[in-house]
Amino acid sequence: DTGVSQDPRHKITKRGQNVTFRCDPISEHNRLYWYRQTLGQGPEFLTYFQNEAQLEKSRLLSDRFSAERPKGSFSTLEIQRTEQGDSAMYLCASSLPGNEQFFGPGTRLTVL
Amino acid sequence: AQSVSQHNHHVILSEAASLELGCNYSYGGTVNLFWYVQYPGQHLQLLLKYFSGDPLVKGIKGFEAEFIKSKFSFNLRKPSVQWSDTAEYFCALDMRFGAGTRLTVKP
Repeated sequence: DTGVSQDPRHKITKRGQNVTFRCDPISEHNRLYWYRQTLGQGPEFLTYFQNEAQLEKSRLLSDRFSAERPKGSFSTLEIQRTEQGDSAMYLCASSLPGNEQFFGPGTRLTVL
Repeated sequence: AQSVSQHNHHVILSEAASLELGCNYSYGGTVNLFWYVQYPGQHLQLLLKYFSGDPLVKGIKGFEAEFIKSKFSFNLRKPSVQWSDTAEYFCALDMRFGAGTRLTVKP
């Protein structure tokens, strides 16, 4: 399968714990995006990278969230000191500049 | 700031009915507009896109959308829906998505 992959698919954690998600984009895509989606809502933009450079970060993203794409390939999204309000589906997508995004299956986070 | 609004949260139609889902955006510059669809249990996938040129764009599965610059709109249409069109539909302006419209098609 040459699509976007995300790991893990599900994560259950206790409030206050740190979690890290991984995204592997389509190999020739140099743009990578992270979104958060809650029930009944559209994907909410969090951040995006072009190669290894983080070009934009949503103002809604608190300091507890950080994303990296160290070699311009896979990316990680870390949430520190998780809160119940962080429970959501975290989506990753990749694209070529200006083109449509290809989405992964998402990581469903449940914070107890 | 860019934003996207979708007028309908849930639309219920019978098979063979015509569909139009509204999408309005807020942005004064060059627009890249998309409609994505999410079938139950599946990833988001592209239905169609508009970058420039002919404002009437055709996508997969018989869907089309019309870009009307003066109205800041990019509505999605399909002349005759099928049960298999039951899904959630999202309009997007680059990386900004609308809240989505859930379409239920009754057989």
